[in-house]
Amino acid sequence: RKEVEQDPGPFNVPEGATVAFNCTYSNSASQSFFWYRQDCRKEPKLLMSVYSSGNEDGRFTAQLNRASQYISLLIRDSKLSDSATYLCVVNNDMRFGAGTRLTVKP
Amino acid sequence: NAGVTQTPKFQVLKTGQSMTLQCAQDMNHEYMSWYRQDPGMGLRLIHYSVGAGITDQGEVPNGYNVSRSTTEDFPLRLLSAAPSQTSVYFCASILRRGVPEAFFGQGTRLTVV
Repeated sequence: RKEVEQDPGPFNVPEGATVAFNCTYSNSASQSFFWYRQDCRKEPKLLMSVYSSGNEDGRFTAQLNRASQYISLLIRDSKLSDSATYLCVVNNDMRFGAGTRLTVKP
Repeated sequence: NAGVTQTPKFQVLKTGQSMTLQCAQDMNHEYMSWYRQDPGMGLRLIHYSVGAGITDQGEVPNGYNVSRSTTEDFPLRLLSAAPSQTSVYFCASILRRGVPEAFFGQGTRLTVV
């Protein structure tokens, strides 16, 4: 089993939709969790950290479920500009999931 | 501008050739790493370093060597390039383990023919 697994998608959603991605991890001792965004042919950039209590940044909500060993990213009111690949990172060694590709359509 | 400088941006190699991808950061970050990204896939960790003089293997280290003689520099060496090493390579640095924000270089698109 891979350390970090994501549904590769693609997720194709209309503008304004709500979409959620999950990322499962195998190491129950993992402590650090992050979501990154990667635009086509660009370097990844930090979107948000994931805290135990869950956290929100505007239209984005990140949650951690330790019992089931996954993190999630929820995007509300999707914009065209949200189209990108979303990568999860688990633990201090910065190992990335394969990424979930999101396309938001008009 | 401060950040991670990665060179070259593009490179074509013949099978069996060697080359070094350069990565430098001026933020005094402890942790540096190299990734490769193949089409439609995420970033796979090749090697990483938690500080000068310390390196360790990641998920896909075969065919690559690294060294960390200074805090600033973390070069990646391909000793004998193979077509399977055709990929986009990213160098990244973070202040230290556990700190969330990684700063990435712009990537190197390597083709081995």
